[in-house]
Amino acid sequence: EPEVTQTPSHQVTQMGQEVILRCVPISNHLYFYWYRQILGQKVEFLVSFYNNEISEKSEIFDDQFSVERPDGSNFTLKIRSTKLEDSAMYFCASVLPRGGSDTGELFFGEGSRLTVL
Amino acid sequence: AQSVAQPEDQVNVAEGNPLTVKCTYSVSGNPYLFWYVQYPNRGLQFLLKYITGDNLVKGSYGFEAEFNKSQTSFHLKKPSALVSDSALYFCAVRGNAGKSTFGDGTTLTVKP
Repeated sequence: EPEVTQTPSHQVTQMGQEVILRCVPISNHLYFYWYRQILGQKVEFLVSFYNNEISEKSEIFDDQFSVERPDGSNFTLKIRSTKLEDSAMYFCASVLPRGGSDTGELFFGEGSRLTVL
Repeated sequence: AQSVAQPEDQVNVAEGNPLTVKCTYSVSGNPYLFWYVQYPNRGLQFLLKYITGDNLVKGSYGFEAEFNKSQTSFHLKKPSALVSDSALYFCAVRGNAGKSTFGDGTTLTVKP
């Protein structure tokens, strides 16, 4: 069964360093998302991406964050200068639109755990 | 703004008993409602969804959920719980804008 893959599974970084988290969504999906989860609790929306541009972003997704889909397969989340509070599990998800609209379920990757020291 | 409330942090049931995990939502327009399950150190897995049609939807692993428009609820149910159902369950709502908003999650513990 097709799946969303994420790398790395765990990254430890120093505060102020740049981090890039990578995702390969399911190949025929068109909508892509990043969510984060702190300490196994609430799942928070960061950003949605469609047709090679951001379609929506949350208040969390400030100027330190960026996303891109550089080669038509990978979907990356970059954090320019990490803070302690960026420590979380970051999940990539993708959706296959049904009937021309985005009403399908999210397919999640296994997550990338980011630890900022 | 859309939101989801899962009023119970924890639900405990005995194996073989029915289970209910509660969810209420708020959204403009037609609600698209989902349940996901998360096992420790794993990503979220889709269980079931309500888009339109019958108010009772059936999903994976014997789970079902009932959509109630007047009560803005979408409770997850299973007639007979298994120990292997123990996990963290998330209700989510998506409005017309596309993004999904998740509840805070409910930890289900099924005891033998």
